Amino acid sequence: NAGVTQTPKFRILKIGQSMTLQCTQDMNHNYMYWYRQDPGMGLKLIYYSVGAGITDKGEVPNGYNVSRSTTEDFPLRLELAAPSQTSVYFCASGSLSAQYFGPGTRLTVT
Amino acid sequence: AQSVTQLDSQVPVFEEAPVELRCNYSSSVSVYLFWYVQYPNQGLQLLLKYLSGSTLVKGINGFEAEFNKSQTSFHLRKPSVHISDTAEYFCAVSEWEGAQKLVFGQGTRLTINP
Repeated sequence: NAGVTQTPKFRILKIGQSMTLQCTQDMNHNYMYWYRQDPGMGLKLIYYSVGAGITDKGEVPNGYNVSRSTTEDFPLRLELAAPSQTSVYFCASGSLSAQYFGPGTRLTVT
Repeated sequence: AQSVTQLDSQVPVFEEAPVELRCNYSSSVSVYLFWYVQYPNQGLQLLLKYLSGSTLVKGINGFEAEFNKSQTSFHLRKPSVHISDTAEYFCAVSEWEGAQKLVFGQGTRLTINP
């Protein structure tokens, strides 16, 4: 039981490039989430999903897109990367009473 | 909408001393309350949660927290800390209904000095 896995662990992007952050969970949770963590700040919600085929925006969705074709996978797409997207990205999955986090992806946009 | 305020950005304490990390929240609806811990360069790990029932909840690693509805607080405590407790601690809330989206505080960095 691996929990929530994320790839890659680290990535450096040039301004204007695109990439997809992968997230997979093996706990059969309906709910999945993407957060970003900036230095000295708490986590902010980017997008979330309540089940396969259903996604919605969180607090900071601009510049990102998501899809949820299966229960297990919830990829986050960055189009036209900008320096403001330099952050640590965490994927989480959860039941009604708690969320479980992946190890994170550290992204730098230069 | 909800908001969470962690009243201390940094808390230094000596090993084996007690510690309290303070958390206040604001919400117009009923919420669940959580504390998460983040060790350096790692993801977040659930420390404890309050869903309902007894207002004193116990978590992993000897931590406990008390929910105070009248003061809208959920302070985290440990009677005797260890070097290994050095980490960032996050308080978070989510609504009872809907997608249980978490709203986080800014975090408190706990540093344990020998």
